[in-house]
Amino acid sequence: ETGVTQSPTHLIKTRGQQVTLRCSSQSGHNTVSWYQQALGQGPQFIFQYYREEENGRGNFPPRFSGLQFPNYSSELNVNALELDDSALYLCASSKQGVDYGYTFGSGTRLTVV
Amino acid sequence: AQKITQTQPGMFVQEKEAVTLDCTYDTSDQSYGLFWYKQPSSGEMIFLIYQGSYDEQNATEGRYSLNFQKARKSANLVISASQLGDSAMYFCAMRQYNFNKFYFGSGTKLNVKP
Repeated sequence: ETGVTQSPTHLIKTRGQQVTLRCSSQSGHNTVSWYQQALGQGPQFIFQYYREEENGRGNFPPRFSGLQFPNYSSELNVNALELDDSALYLCASSKQGVDYGYTFGSGTRLTVV
Repeated sequence: AQKITQTQPGMFVQEKEAVTLDCTYDTSDQSYGLFWYKQPSSGEMIFLIYQGSYDEQNATEGRYSLNFQKARKSANLVISASQLGDSAMYFCAMRQYNFNKFYFGSGTKLNVKP
């Protein structure tokens, strides 16, 4: 079975721009969650999607938004980028109702200049 | 309020010895899950072990075991017979099922010495 893949692996954007990050779920998984990991810190939960709807959200402003598609892949969109948005963005997929078994991708390293 | 606390920013252990990584958590929920992940320098989070709040026995997965003390709200990870490949960042995490939220600690960097 294929794991979670994220694209791109690295990205440089200018402050004020918008960015879209992509995530393909592991086969058989129907839930996707996104995390922001600043350098030297633990991941911070952004939100989770199930059945194409957001069903859990951390303390992130509305300029962080997402989508989940019928094939369970997902996008994270960030508008009006700020310097503090520079981080590793991790995506994880899982199967709803299964309490464990979150599979993470290798992440997208976003740098905002 | 901090949901997950890992008080050891860095740890050293001799190869083949056991090591305990500390984790305490804060929740008033009855139903939650506790996780440990390993993050090598490549960035990927690797699942190690899971403990449900209603599980009475401590979870074990090969060389990993989770010392779950519910009353003390602690979920320490024990790695037996450390290997050089165990050198990495280790994160404790909690999932609150009622709110579908996931919290990670700040991590412990483990260095295994030959």
